[in-house]
Amino acid sequence: SQTIHQWPATLVQPVGSPLSLECTVEGTSNPNLYWYRQAAGRGLQLLFYSVGIGQISSEVPQNLSASRPQDRQFILSSKKLLLSDSGFYLCAWRNPRGNQPQHFGDGTRLSIL
Amino acid sequence: SQKIEQNSEALNIQEGKTATLTCNYTNYSPAYLQWYRQDPGRGPVFLLLIRENEKEKRKERLKVTFDTTLKQSLFHITASQPADSATYLCALGGYSTLTFGKGTMLLVSP
Repeated sequence: SQTIHQWPATLVQPVGSPLSLECTVEGTSNPNLYWYRQAAGRGLQLLFYSVGIGQISSEVPQNLSASRPQDRQFILSSKKLLLSDSGFYLCAWRNPRGNQPQHFGDGTRLSIL
Repeated sequence: SQKIEQNSEALNIQEGKTATLTCNYTNYSPAYLQWYRQDPGRGPVFLLLIRENEKEKRKERLKVTFDTTLKQSLFHITASQPADSATYLCALGGYSTLTFGKGTMLLVSP
């Protein structure tokens, strides 16, 4: 069966520090991969998605970036975090064939001080 | 621009009753619509998918309707239980991505 792993579960970082969040998927190949942010009282905001290795689509311009160095690995990065980057970050995968659901990891709670 | 509306106020119901959650959308013609459940501090979990040419879909105690004329989906949980308490999100399907509503919190009291 397929599984998705995100880490770390919680992270506290100072303003201006770098960020790297990692997401890996097991049990499937060539998945679509997604990064979302969920701020308090707001919906899921799609940040990036990828349909293949090295292919990244950005939905919201900001100081975050994403990379997909391997088929089942998706990384969210920042060179310098802002206070507004605080939130709950979720990674998801989806079988690209047909109208398939997305499957989410358990998220990373990021607090910027 | 695309807009998805779900009741922002929590829905409080008694155990055993049917819970009905609403999802309205504008400026969108989705090929399909999905419903997810999200518990505090966890990622959303997929529940049901309904396509634009389907009127209704059922799975155990869950039922979803999809009216593309009204641009509305209704999500029903029959014989609700306290364990059904969670936030429920609707999501509209595009080619590769989903657009999520903000969700409605459901509280089922014993």
